[in-house]
Amino acid sequence: DIQLTQSPSFLSASVGDRVTITCRASQGISSYLAWYQQKPGKAPKLLIYAASTLQSGVPSRFSGSGSGTEFTLTISSLQPEDFATYYCQQLNSYPPPFGGGTKVEIK
Amino acid sequence: EVQLVESGGGVVQPGGSLRLSCAASGFTFDDYAMHWVRQAPGKGLEWVSLISGDGGSTYYADSVKGRFTISRDNSKNSLYLQMNSLRTEDTALYYCAKDDDFWSLFDYWGQGTLVTVSS
Repeated sequence: DIQLTQSPSFLSASVGDRVTITCRASQGISSYLAWYQQKPGKAPKLLIYAASTLQSGVPSRFSGSGSGTEFTLTISSLQPEDFATYYCQQLNSYPPPFGGGTKVEIK
Repeated sequence: EVQLVESGGGVVQPGGSLRLSCAASGFTFDDYAMHWVRQAPGKGLEWVSLISGDGGSTYYADSVKGRFTISRDNSKNSLYLQMNSLRTEDTALYYCAKDDDFWSLFDYWGQGTLVTVSS
């Protein structure tokens, strides 16, 4: 099974910062990757799929890139509502693995 | 508006059973595969099981294979997870999630139902 490793697992940032989260796959997965945001006490929310396609309604400050084994989620200017945990997930695979998560906290 | 509402969670002793339900609305239920995904307290997300739109195909994580059974009743727009031989490591918030039916991603999630396995 393919494994997804996110880094960092925790990051502290300020409002307005540019934030980048990395997800590395143990084998090449083309562009079959999604990103989710989860706020405390809430269900995950789909942000990006196919590595770089923004889900409808997601602010344009979120972007995704990458293919093969290395992917990034970038928040261009961190907003107060963006403090959350972010997960990557491989698409079109069973079992569909998730990364371990990256918690973004306020500095 | 798509809505997924889970129910059936609770406290159960190791070795016990529990049946979770998920009531779906706002979309044509039998057109879409459905999933169960769980999250242990303070931990990450773990996919549990998938069922196709017609119920004819099912898949399970190795950690639950042989103990959990996913099913659906399309006449009631409902998804189920029968959990037997529960272990302490099954303690988690269980989410039902709708498949987008193209990328095999989870485009809508319920609010979750908590299962606690403890003696």
